[in-house]
Amino acid sequence: NAGVTQTPKFRILKIGQSMTLQCTQDMNHNYMYWYRQDPGMGLKLIYYSVGAGITDKGEVPNGYNVSRSTTEDFPLRLELAAPSQTSVYFCASRPTGNNEQFFGPGTRLTVL
Amino acid sequence: SQKIEQNSEALNIQEGKTATLTCNYTNYSPAYLQWYRQDPGRGPVFLLLIRENEKEKRKERLKVTFDTTLKQSLFHITASQPADSATYLCALEGGGNKLTFGTGTQLKVEL
Repeated sequence: NAGVTQTPKFRILKIGQSMTLQCTQDMNHNYMYWYRQDPGMGLKLIYYSVGAGITDKGEVPNGYNVSRSTTEDFPLRLELAAPSQTSVYFCASRPTGNNEQFFGPGTRLTVL
Repeated sequence: SQKIEQNSEALNIQEGKTATLTCNYTNYSPAYLQWYRQDPGRGPVFLLLIRENEKEKRKERLKVTFDTTLKQSLFHITASQPADSATYLCALEGGGNKLTFGTGTQLKVEL
């Protein structure tokens, strides 16, 4: 199993550009999560999904959108990128009945 | 408002000693608490989970305690090694399939 994979690893965006951060897991987990982590800070939940077709907002959803059309994929869309979205983004998943979350390697995004 | 506090200052200890990290929380009634390890440039890795009705959990050199009266968890690493150097995050689940993370404590184990 590859676990949770994220692409790209790094990206620089200009203000106002859009992009999609990709997240895929091959463990057949129902639950998937998107977090952002700013320097010296804990992870903040952006969006999460409890299964294909179901998504819900986390603590900091503004400026982001998600979709969950399959169990494996949970892309995060940034529309009209702003400098405040400069951060490291982590995707995570977990199976039903197990509270342990499995994290991807992260995407480092800079908005200039 | 809900708050999770971990020591923001790095903890430096000597190899072989026991490292103790603290996680305090307010305005939470967590069903369980988790500890994760995060190395620079990597995603967090799960270490231990302890439920609200458990006082203590052990895994190899790791021990976690959970005091719901004090609203505190302690994370211990015995016989610490330089390879244990990392940032350790606590996370609480209060319902709704979501975790809330603390800011983490950086541990440095010196030879």
